[in-house]
Amino acid sequence: DIQMTQSPSSLSASVGDTVTITCRASHTVTNYLNWYQQKPGTTPTVLIYGTSILQSGVPSRFSGSGIGTDFSLTISGLQPEDFATYYCQQTYGSPWTFGRGTRVEIE
Amino acid sequence: HLQLQESGPGLVKSSETLSLTCAVSGGSLVTSSYYWAWIRQTPGEGLELIGNIYHTGSTYYNPSLASRVTISIDTSKNHFSLKLTSVTAADTAVYYCATAAVDLYSYIDVWGKGATVTVSS
Repeated sequence: DIQMTQSPSSLSASVGDTVTITCRASHTVTNYLNWYQQKPGTTPTVLIYGTSILQSGVPSRFSGSGIGTDFSLTISGLQPEDFATYYCQQTYGSPWTFGRGTRVEIE
Repeated sequence: HLQLQESGPGLVKSSETLSLTCAVSGGSLVTSSYYWAWIRQTPGEGLELIGNIYHTGSTYYNPSLASRVTISIDTSKNHFSLKLTSVTAADTAVYYCATAAVDLYSYIDVWGKGATVTVSS
């Protein structure tokens, strides 16, 4: 299986901050990398797929980049509704695998 | 729009079989556009793909669970199902049915609300 390692596991930030979450794959996933947001008591929702393609309806303050094994999700100008847990997922190798998540908390 | 709803027992005894069904509404299972998947989530292990099924009945199982998993599809009832045998406490989780588009860049785009399953000794 391709292991996905996210860092940090949690972070504290303030409204308006820019935050970056990284995701490293144990083997190349080329650009088959997705990012999800999950709020407590709800299901994950996709933010970005194919490394950098913003899902319809997702605010442009979210952006993704990377290739191969190293990827990042950046939130530019954190909003109150962005405090949540974020997961990366690769769909290059089988089985599809997820990172353990990064919890973004209010500072 | 497509909606998924899991159903099944919330409590299963250790060594027995976990059975869940996912009812699909707002669309048909008989489509070449989607994979139908089961995913589970635990605080310790995070999100894990259990497996998926195509409308033809073709399945993929996560090798870590393959010896215990069966996913089936009933197109007449527009639902698909999960069976996990010989469960242990490690199988306690929230189980989601979900769907992913068959596309260049697949991602999970519709999730059921999740079914919490506890394995008791």
